[in-house]
Amino acid sequence: NAGVTQTPKFRILKIGQSMTLQCTQDMNHNYMYWYRQDPGMGLKLIYYSVGAGITDKGEVPNGYNVSRSTTEDFPLRLELAAPSQTSVYFCASSYFSKSSYNEQFFGPGTRLTVL
Amino acid sequence: DQQVKQNSPSLSVQEGRISILNCDYTNSMFDYFLWYKKYPAEGPTFLISISSIKDKNEDGRFTVFLNKSAKHLSLHIVPSQPGDSAVYFCAASAIAEYGNKLVFGAGTILRVKS
Repeated sequence: NAGVTQTPKFRILKIGQSMTLQCTQDMNHNYMYWYRQDPGMGLKLIYYSVGAGITDKGEVPNGYNVSRSTTEDFPLRLELAAPSQTSVYFCASSYFSKSSYNEQFFGPGTRLTVL
Repeated sequence: DQQVKQNSPSLSVQEGRISILNCDYTNSMFDYFLWYKKYPAEGPTFLISISSIKDKNEDGRFTVFLNKSAKHLSLHIVPSQPGDSAVYFCAASAIAEYGNKLVFGAGTILRVKS
């Protein structure tokens, strides 16, 4: 199993450009998440999905969009890149059951710089 | 409003000694707590967790203690090894309130000196 994979690893964008960060998991997890991590800060939840076709906002969703057409894929879209979106982005997945907590598995991250 | 706080940005420990990383939380609805470890240029990896119905959980060299009345948890690493040098994140969840979502602290950088 590859686990959670993310592409690209690095990207530099100009202000106003758009891009899609790709995330794929092969563990058949129903839940998927997108986080950003700024220097000296913890991970902040951007969006999450509880299953194919269902997404919801997290703590910092402004400037981002997501879709979940399959169980495996959860792309994150930046429409008009801004310097404030310079960050490291992590995708994660987990299985969810109401009876017990299941830990999240993280991808290696995408380092994005907006100039 | 930070619901999960790690007040020590960094910690330096000699190899073989104990490392103690601390975490405080404010939301009394949190019922599950996790520690993640992160190396540079990698994603966080799950280390150890504890349910709010327990006060201690042990896994090899790693032990997590939970003090619900003080809303405080700590991670003990004994003995510390140079390979433990990483950023450690405390995270919390409240299944009823957040589902499987996690709230993370800012992290503590642990340096183990050989």
